[in-house]
Amino acid sequence: GENVEQHPSTLSVQEGDSAVIKCTYSDSASNYFPWYKQELGKRPQLIIDIRSNVGEKKDQRIAVTLNKTAKHFSLHITETQPEDSAVYFCAASKDMRFGAGTRLTVKP
Amino acid sequence: DAGITQSPRHKVTETGTPVTLRCHQTENHRYMYWYRQDPGHGLRLIHYSYGVKDTDKGEVSDGYSVSRSKTEDFLLTLESATSSQTSVYFCAISPSTDTQYFGPGTRLTVL
Repeated sequence: GENVEQHPSTLSVQEGDSAVIKCTYSDSASNYFPWYKQELGKRPQLIIDIRSNVGEKKDQRIAVTLNKTAKHFSLHITETQPEDSAVYFCAASKDMRFGAGTRLTVKP
Repeated sequence: DAGITQSPRHKVTETGTPVTLRCHQTENHRYMYWYRQDPGHGLRLIHYSYGVKDTDKGEVSDGYSVSRSKTEDFLLTLESATSSQTSVYFCAISPSTDTQYFGPGTRLTVL
């Protein structure tokens, strides 16, 4: 089945800096890759997604890139703000596998 | 948030007792999912449904069963709860096989 690995597990940045979270997947049958943000005690919420026919997608300060050949995709957050602090999860559509999560802390 | 609710939101039970969690949606989405969330493991798929009375197993289905007799309701049952099933359970819905919308979660503690 699909296997998704996510790195790093924790990430601390200064406000205004950029943050990058990377995920790799194993099954080339995966064709949809969402990213979810989960604040403490809340439900995961979709923040951006990408399909396998697209290499990059942007939405204001967040972007996702996909390299199908290497089977990895990344979340990029620019100009980070304290409210970006949360746990971020990547996922791959085959078997709906999620990464273990990255706890992002943005220091004011 | 999408029209999705879970009940109960919190439950404490004892080992060996049966437990049923309910997921209810008002979006008329075809797909419904049950996940468990544990520290260090992210979200792991337990079971999912692709229509009324159509269900399939996920990554961690042992010890769980599901039923979907109506489009809007997806039930998760622990036939005989064990301490290893202490977790936060999330239901999700989707109109297709990609974008999922999560419910508020149920925190289950098995003593």
